[in-house]
Amino acid sequence: DAKTTQPPSMDCAEGRAANLPCNHSTISGNEYVYWYRQIHSQGPQYIIHGLKNNETNEMASLIITEDRKSSTLILPHATLRDTAVYYCIVRVTGANSKLTFGKGITLSVRP
Amino acid sequence: EAGVTQFPSHSVIEKGQTVTLRCDPISGHDNLYWYRRVMGKEIKFLLHFVKESKQDESGMPNNRFLAERTGGTYSTLKVQPAELEDSGVYFCASSVSGGGGAFFGQGTRLTVV
Repeated sequence: DAKTTQPPSMDCAEGRAANLPCNHSTISGNEYVYWYRQIHSQGPQYIIHGLKNNETNEMASLIITEDRKSSTLILPHATLRDTAVYYCIVRVTGANSKLTFGKGITLSVRP
Repeated sequence: EAGVTQFPSHSVIEKGQTVTLRCDPISGHDNLYWYRRVMGKEIKFLLHFVKESKQDESGMPNNRFLAERTGGTYSTLKVQPAELEDSGVYFCASSVSGGGGAFFGQGTRLTVV
């Protein structure tokens, strides 16, 4: 699986949008971009994934650049409960693919 | 619908003892994964089942770890004999075939003393 690069940390104000960047310049054509988060010591939580089109669900939006070398996870209205470590992972979708976690980005939402 | 459940939530054992962790995946999920996080380190992949077959066990640290998934339903991960460095949080995840997100359990915190 290709490697991703994320800043170590960022913060945002409660109620504002949180935009979490990720670089994946060596991504292959058959690799998807996945985002997970881990709140404190709970199990990782799936957020969203996409291939090349922008995606949105009830949790977040995923914006992938046209060249697919980077993406941004957007939490439209961050709350204190969104404070967590967010992982950007590229993965070949299919029955054989594992998730390779890096260090992630620690998002701190301040009141 | 029940999520991925893991038992026990915590386990404290002495070095040299045996511990068995259990994971019940989401019903209908053919893929089952084990991961672990050792203190201060990143979450690491251990192995992957597709139904009852081991698809990828490249992350298993050594032969003291044995994973099974008889019947393709729940899975167990046995550590025998446990060593101090086995301490950490063991996560199980499951997913449907063909892609999509994997859903994680809350983990088993294993402490070897």
